[in-house]
Amino acid sequence: DVKVTQSSRYLVKRTGEKVFLECVQDMDHENMFWYRQDPGLGLRLIYFSYDVKMKEKGDIPEGYSVSREKKERFSLILESASTNQTSMYLCASSPPGQGWYYNEQFFGPGTRLTVL
Amino acid sequence: TQLLEQSPQFLSIQEGENLTVYCNSSSVFSSLQWYRQEPGEGPVLLVTVVTGGEVKKLKRLTFQFGDARKDSSLHITAAQPGDTGLYLCAGWPGGFKTIFGAGTRLFVKA
Repeated sequence: DVKVTQSSRYLVKRTGEKVFLECVQDMDHENMFWYRQDPGLGLRLIYFSYDVKMKEKGDIPEGYSVSREKKERFSLILESASTNQTSMYLCASSPPGQGWYYNEQFFGPGTRLTVL
Repeated sequence: TQLLEQSPQFLSIQEGENLTVYCNSSSVFSSLQWYRQEPGEGPVLLVTVVTGGEVKKLKRLTFQFGDARKDSSLHITAAQPGDTGLYLCAGWPGGFKTIFGAGTRLFVKA
């Protein structure tokens, strides 16, 4: 079974702090994703990475950056946290390739971040 | 902008009832997935449908992909409290991006 783990389940930070969210997958997947989930808005893609050191912006990259130094690890960074970044953050990974079956994503348990 | 609209947004039913959840779009998708998310957890993949008109069954859950591959439905027969959760549909138009619906929150009362 694919396992995707996230560094924290709950996190409380102050406005202006730098926040690191880490995600690790154990199935050698090349694609990794960071989403945020807000009630009524569904999952919105922040960034994704298709290989080590490669990244692409998603729909809402403003205020976020990412790092992928190793294949299994994808980090999301909030350079200066703001209250509107309070949300559930979900990491996901998927196998390589472009066929439909390679779009199936495996999610971590999520990090509920509160910025005060 | 590609959108997936799910209906209803909320559903509260008694154990044993049947229900159908809908996922609609004006866009065509190469495939569509359904996920279930329990409180405090990440979404878990239930099924992927690929072919227009395709029907897949997973125990008491029946998934259908529309003929034009723009919409999908999830039917649950004899719902149980363990079916409680947020059901998300996700359409894949190709490439790296997946379009997620906002979800249907289902509560099944014992």
